[in-house]
Amino acid sequence: KAGVTQTPRYLIKTRGQQVTLSCSPISGHRSVSWYQQTPGQGLQFLFEYFSETQRNKGNFPGRFSGRQFSNSRSEMNVSTLELGDSALYLCASSRDSANEKLFFGSGTQLSVL
Amino acid sequence: QKEVEQNSGPLSVPEGAIASLNCTYSDRVSQSFFWYRQYSGKSPELIMSIYSNGDKEDGRFTAQLNKASQYVSLLIRDSQPSDSATYLCAVRIAAGNKLTFGGGTRVLVKP
Repeated sequence: KAGVTQTPRYLIKTRGQQVTLSCSPISGHRSVSWYQQTPGQGLQFLFEYFSETQRNKGNFPGRFSGRQFSNSRSEMNVSTLELGDSALYLCASSRDSANEKLFFGSGTQLSVL
Repeated sequence: QKEVEQNSGPLSVPEGAIASLNCTYSDRVSQSFFWYRQYSGKSPELIMSIYSNGDKEDGRFTAQLNKASQYVSLLIRDSQPSDSATYLCAVRIAAGNKLTFGGGTRVLVKP
């Protein structure tokens, strides 16, 4: 059974640009959560999607957005990139919103120059 | 006060000894607690979950939960060099029902 797949693995962008990250959950999983990980702040919750609906949202500015498609695949978008957005972005999936065991992808390492 | 707190370490443990990791949380009504292990350059992987007070054992790992004192701990028995990693405590916070992570404790097992 394939795990959580995130693409791309690495991204380099400049300030002001926007970026879209993709996440394909484990087959049969309907919930997708996104986290930002930095050395200073650790793992910070961005948002959670379940059945194409955003169920939870963390304390990030509106520049961070996401969506989920009918096949449970999810994308997150960051607009007007800032240097502080440089981080590892992790996607995690679970069977449903009530199932709390998260399985993480390998992440997308974003560098903003 | 952070919602989930851990000592960042590093916790240095000789091979074969017991590593003891602690985690405290602020939301008194939290019901679900998890320990994840993250090797350097890798993504977190779930190693233990615990939902009720007391101990839960899985192989060399034991999770302990005390809801009255709002702490959860992880014991690693017979520590091996391969256990060297960062251990993340995660709590399902009732407010917003989001899974919140502590900053992680780095464990170093020395041969």
